[in-house]
Amino acid sequence: KAGVTQTPRYLIKTRGQQVTLSCSPISGHRSVSWYQQTPGQGLQFLFEYFSETQRNKGNFPGRFSGRQFSNSRSEMNVSTLELGDSALYLCASTGRTLANTGELFFGEGSRLTVL
Amino acid sequence: TQLLEQSPQFLSIQEGENLTVYCNSSSVFSSLQWYRQEPGEGPVLLVTVVTGGEVKKLKRLTFQFGDARKDSSLHITAAQPGDTGLYLCAGALGSSGSARQLTFGSGTQLTVLP
Repeated sequence: KAGVTQTPRYLIKTRGQQVTLSCSPISGHRSVSWYQQTPGQGLQFLFEYFSETQRNKGNFPGRFSGRQFSNSRSEMNVSTLELGDSALYLCASTGRTLANTGELFFGEGSRLTVL
Repeated sequence: TQLLEQSPQFLSIQEGENLTVYCNSSSVFSSLQWYRQEPGEGPVLLVTVVTGGEVKKLKRLTFQFGDARKDSSLHITAAQPGDTGLYLCAGALGSSGSARQLTFGSGTQLTVLP
């Protein structure tokens, strides 16, 4: 079955602009999580959505927001971009397993560069 | 302070050598996963360990979950260049449910030279 699809793969923005990233989870997965990955901070949790509701939120400013649609597709938005927002943004979906251990299936990521 | 500390941060070895990567925390995890990430790709799940003391083998990779479920190790036997990548451990806190949030370690960048 198809994996997690993220678009766009690469994008360049300038400071002050905003950006919207899209994620289509694995078919049947209802939980979508977003992570920011940078060389200095590693993988940092942004937020998780399940059935169109935000279930968890990481320690990021309000400029970072997201939403989930009824078909489980998710978008995240970053407003008023800063240089430090340059990162690989990863989306992951989760399917329920017998052990319910929350394994993540990641997309290839969206590489954002802020100039 | 990282909730999950991985060591070493970087590791460069020759093909055929053995290696161990460690993932340590003061927190107790309900489960722990290991992922491998290659350049330009997202992390890919290698294994999940759930029970304290559990050992899982995946070909040349052996994963162990500490008895107290606070630490884990990944041992690779006879490493090959294809093992090159960023290895990430991720611990799950809390009880079951899809709202669980995984905490990732800082990663170990492994390079296996031919």
